[in-house]
Amino acid sequence: GAVVSQHPSWVICKSGTSVKIECRSLDFQATTMFWYRQFPKQSLMLMATSNEGSKATYEQGVEKDKFLINHASLTLSTLTVTSAHPEDSSFYICSAGTDKGGNQPQHFGDGTRLSIL
Amino acid sequence: SQKIEQNSEALNIQEGKTATLTCNYTNYSPAYLQWYRQDPGRGPVFLLLIRENEKEKRKERLKVTFDTTLKQSLFHITASQPADSATYLCALANDYKLSFGAGTTVTVRA
Repeated sequence: GAVVSQHPSWVICKSGTSVKIECRSLDFQATTMFWYRQFPKQSLMLMATSNEGSKATYEQGVEKDKFLINHASLTLSTLTVTSAHPEDSSFYICSAGTDKGGNQPQHFGDGTRLSIL
Repeated sequence: SQKIEQNSEALNIQEGKTATLTCNYTNYSPAYLQWYRQDPGRGPVFLLLIRENEKEKRKERLKVTFDTTLKQSLFHITASQPADSATYLCALANDYKLSFGAGTTVTVRA
């Protein structure tokens, strides 16, 4: 149980392109989804938290107009990297939870490797 | 500012031995501490959660301790196997947000 599917698993595209990443909870309804970014040998950095039907909450320093998040249903959240540039190249990972509490595990997708040329 | 440190970036051990990983934190008082396993190119997988009022938690060959006075958690893998080779992340939480350490990569030699 608690399977989270993330798609695509990797993307290579030209600078200036917008890229959409999907995160789906397959066997449960996720009230809250989280988007992280991870650079090599570094920790996961939370970018934003999204709740179904409401606006995402972005962490300090994360540009909300650059990283658009939509959480249209209890099983799907999307992250769109708009006008991507080489510095946006990273490993993006989503996670889903059934509760907003830190006393519950988060269920992670397998990440999306984004490479901007 | 809040800081989470995991001991040595890499840990190499012989199969059958116990691996002990450390997670230290400063400027933080987490109510919960979680441990995850991450394989290369994959997302983290939840292993164990321990609450601030719990001293120890076990699951099969895994054991976690939580010392709020020392501001430290220890993660033990007993009778280690090559399949345990991965990066292990600690994560702290008070509310719904998890703050992760950078991880310790464990390699178990056969």
